[in-house]
Amino acid sequence: QLVLTQSPSASASLGASVNFTCTLSSGHSNYAIAWHQQQPEKGPRYLMKLNSDGSHTKGDGIPDRFSGSSSGAERYLTISSLQSEDEADYYCQTWGTGIVVFGGGTKLTVL
Amino acid sequence: EVQLVESGGGLVHPGGSLRLSCAASGFSFSFYWMSWVRQAPGKGLEWLANIKHDGSEKYYVDSVKGRFTISRDNAKNSLYLQMSSLRAEDTAVYYCARVGVFGSGTYGSMDVWGQGTTVTVSS
Repeated sequence: QLVLTQSPSASASLGASVNFTCTLSSGHSNYAIAWHQQQPEKGPRYLMKLNSDGSHTKGDGIPDRFSGSSSGAERYLTISSLQSEDEADYYCQTWGTGIVVFGGGTKLTVL
Repeated sequence: EVQLVESGGGLVHPGGSLRLSCAASGFSFSFYWMSWVRQAPGKGLEWLANIKHDGSEKYYVDSVKGRFTISRDNAKNSLYLQMSSLRAEDTAVYYCARVGVFGSGTYGSMDVWGQGTTVTVSS
């Protein structure tokens, strides 16, 4: 069964860096994922597609502060030089034949 | 500008029906798979349904199979979600999203999102 696992919360200080992890279920370690940001009271925003080899395709206007990497079944999103507007929920998403799966999301608090 | 705009949400009684629409602009709508995703109050994102660019394939999450129907009109650059037998647990913000095309860097990702339309199921 295709499942994505995310930690429910994270926190970091203004100007610092933060990492998010999205773990693919057993047997799916070669799957690509996408990262999405959802700021409070707004719709989701596509950040990037992240492949198993770490290559990624960012959405239009996504700053260089946002980057992605991969290792085995884990997919990472790193935000550097944190700004207040980065406080949001972050979701990973993947897909298979006839199915789309979201992780449970990670809520980022910027201190 | 690439844009998706949902409409059609509102208050509906349990057991009732509602049709959501999503108007696409700024891209070649007929080339793309499209999706519906919802978010219940205080909860995460839940994928509901996908439809192929020509409407020939449709897929649904089990919880809405038989109750919801995804469709599209490429001549009108529009995506639809017909919802019936609505339940309180269908209360959510409903989003449409574009799926990146095969051969592009965003293939499989939901790379454009609408702003959402709110559906409330209550007596």
